[in-house]
Amino acid sequence: QVRLHQWGAGLLEPSETLSLTCGVYGGSFSVYSWAWIRQSPGTGLEWIGQITHSGGTNYNPSLKSRVTISRDTSNNQFSLRLNSLVAADTALYFCARVRRDGYNRFLRFDYWGQGSPVTVSS
Amino acid sequence: QSVLTQPPSASGTPGQRVTISCSGSSSNIGTNSVNWYQLLPGTAPRLLIYNNNQWPSGVSDRFSGSKSGTSASLAISGLQSEDEADYYCAAWDDSLGGFYVFGTGTKVTVL
Repeated sequence: QVRLHQWGAGLLEPSETLSLTCGVYGGSFSVYSWAWIRQSPGTGLEWIGQITHSGGTNYNPSLKSRVTISRDTSNNQFSLRLNSLVAADTALYFCARVRRDGYNRFLRFDYWGQGSPVTVSS
Repeated sequence: QSVLTQPPSASGTPGQRVTISCSGSSSNIGTNSVNWYQLLPGTAPRLLIYNNNQWPSGVSDRFSGSKSGTSASLAISGLQSEDEADYYCAAWDDSLGGFYVFGTGTKVTVL
């Protein structure tokens, strides 16, 4: 059974950098892509980006300039960094496993972390 | 930023059938597969339907998905109280270099 567990700081000030990590337990890590998604009260679910099985990255165009997703294959973990935080970044952040059957047109998320609440406030 | 439009709410009594629509465009639903997610309060999203009409293991067949052109829909038959949740459609969008987009979300209320 695949389980994702995420952690990181939850209260940050404007202009600071968000850092979250997601650990993957059970199943294979290196053959899958892994993603970050957030849920805001005002805007619903938003895809932040993902890191592919080969280490490449895809980011949401609206966040691309501020986002970095990386991975540590030796520890089956992947991480999110979002810099220059603003209040609108306040959200519940999720990590998730990507399934794509070889093509992005089939992309979906089948296993999710428990969620990390992040508040950006001075 | 969402380019997939859903009605904000839908409701029904226990046992009824409820349908949620999802309207997109040629760069997302028109070309790529649609997925549906269920969000219950305090829990992580759950994949309900993938590739337009496929069920992940463990998902009830009371949930069904369909797609036609640039629109998709999710039907919940035999509505139950535990179906009260937020539902989101989603798909890959080929514009702007490619990105994954979620719908605006629909709150389903069981009356």
